Amino acid sequence: DTEVTQTPKHLVMGMTNKKSLKCEQHMGHRAMYWYKQKAKKPPELMFVYSYEKLSINESVPSRFSPECPNSSLLNLHLHALQPEDSALYLCASSQDSGRGTEAFFGQGTRLTVV
Amino acid sequence: GQNIDQPTEMTATEGAIVQINCTYQTSGFNGLFWYQQHAGEAPTFLSYNVLDGLEEKGRFSSFLSRSKGYSYLLLKELQMKDSASYLCAPLNGAGSYQLTFGKGTKLSVIP
Repeated sequence: DTEVTQTPKHLVMGMTNKKSLKCEQHMGHRAMYWYKQKAKKPPELMFVYSYEKLSINESVPSRFSPECPNSSLLNLHLHALQPEDSALYLCASSQDSGRGTEAFFGQGTRLTVV
Repeated sequence: GQNIDQPTEMTATEGAIVQINCTYQTSGFNGLFWYQQHAGEAPTFLSYNVLDGLEEKGRFSSFLSRSKGYSYLLLKELQMKDSASYLCAPLNGAGSYQLTFGKGTKLSVIP
């Protein structure tokens, strides 16, 4: 199993809503990542979890709140988002966050904030 | 922070060879990845270089020069399905490594 599964695939939410994006992998990877990708732009790193601990937060606004309940799951809690937060949110995992370990990406959640 | 530069777009003919260059400036360099991303899909891993030189994998090869902060991805015998964005990603940092992508090169393969 070399899959990273993200749910939902599509999400439309209002600016006052609270929603969560979910990511799951069963490859035994100990590093998991959230990326944000706007149209025609490369993925931008948001958060890195290493061994279930948040190790990198790339100055992401607090309306995005990551959570790693266990080594297989990664969530991104969303609250009070803005229309400019509409994007493709990609989850990825790698064996660890060290050198030479390729990252496997999920298919993403396409988020629209209205 | 880091500075990654690659061409925005390239066009090449089916069956030809194309080279996509990437220059970077980064601290704590720990190798460089190339990823392929088709429109509307997730990035997929192509190659990883940590030592200087050429790594060959089928039709794709990747080269690294650490002293020059330079890498290229070489695609041979181009096929229409190779039309995609190619993302250069130096791995930097100490402790927890950060995989940060360049702006990507959109390659169009034409008949």
